[in-house]
Amino acid sequence: EAQVTQNPRYLITVTGKKLTVTCSQNMNHEYMSWYRQDPGLGLRQIYYSMNVEVTDKGDVPEGYKVSRKEKRNFPLILESPSPNQTSLYFCASSFQGSTEAFFGQGTRLTVV
Amino acid sequence: EDQVTQSPEALRLQEGESSSLNCSYTVSGLRGLFWYRQDPGKGPEFLFTLYSAGEEKEKERLKATLTKKESFLHITAPKPEDSATYLCAVQAETGANNLFFGTGTRLTVIP
Repeated sequence: EAQVTQNPRYLITVTGKKLTVTCSQNMNHEYMSWYRQDPGLGLRQIYYSMNVEVTDKGDVPEGYKVSRKEKRNFPLILESPSPNQTSLYFCASSFQGSTEAFFGQGTRLTVV
Repeated sequence: EDQVTQSPEALRLQEGESSSLNCSYTVSGLRGLFWYRQDPGKGPEFLFTLYSAGEEKEKERLKATLTKKESFLHITAPKPEDSATYLCAVQAETGANNLFFGTGTRLTVIP
């Protein structure tokens, strides 16, 4: 089954404790991206990757890192999480130039 | 700067009561306008892509239309299973596959 898989689905952590949210897709997509979704603000792009070893900032990259060492994986790293990073996070993937993006199930992160 | 505004924020309809959702946009060169459906606790699910003014696409009870400044998602005779948040997004010509989203319209269809 074609899918984008995020882990974990739910995470509660403390301020400053490094964490990684994983994202994996099985569709051989070149393009992957991370979004955060907050009430009243909608989905905002954090980082994106057009292919292996190619990443770039989205609209809200501060406090986040990403890496793309393999085509299927695109982890989101929070080196020192803060409470304002409490949010619902989505990973998405698509073929470059394609009109249809596939989204993961989401990761609900709470930073206390 | 790209901007997408959706209205209304929330809409309650009786089953069978048709209506329309609006998405107005500003983008420097439109590559495509997208409609997604999002159910609570899930990721957005692709519905339509529209590329040029005058274009229309249909899927079951949904029809999307596009002008140079806005898009409408028409819902004909909705059913309770159509209840969801509907998201509009634009993709600029100059961007990669980057999507710029509106805040969505939360639709509730009452039996």
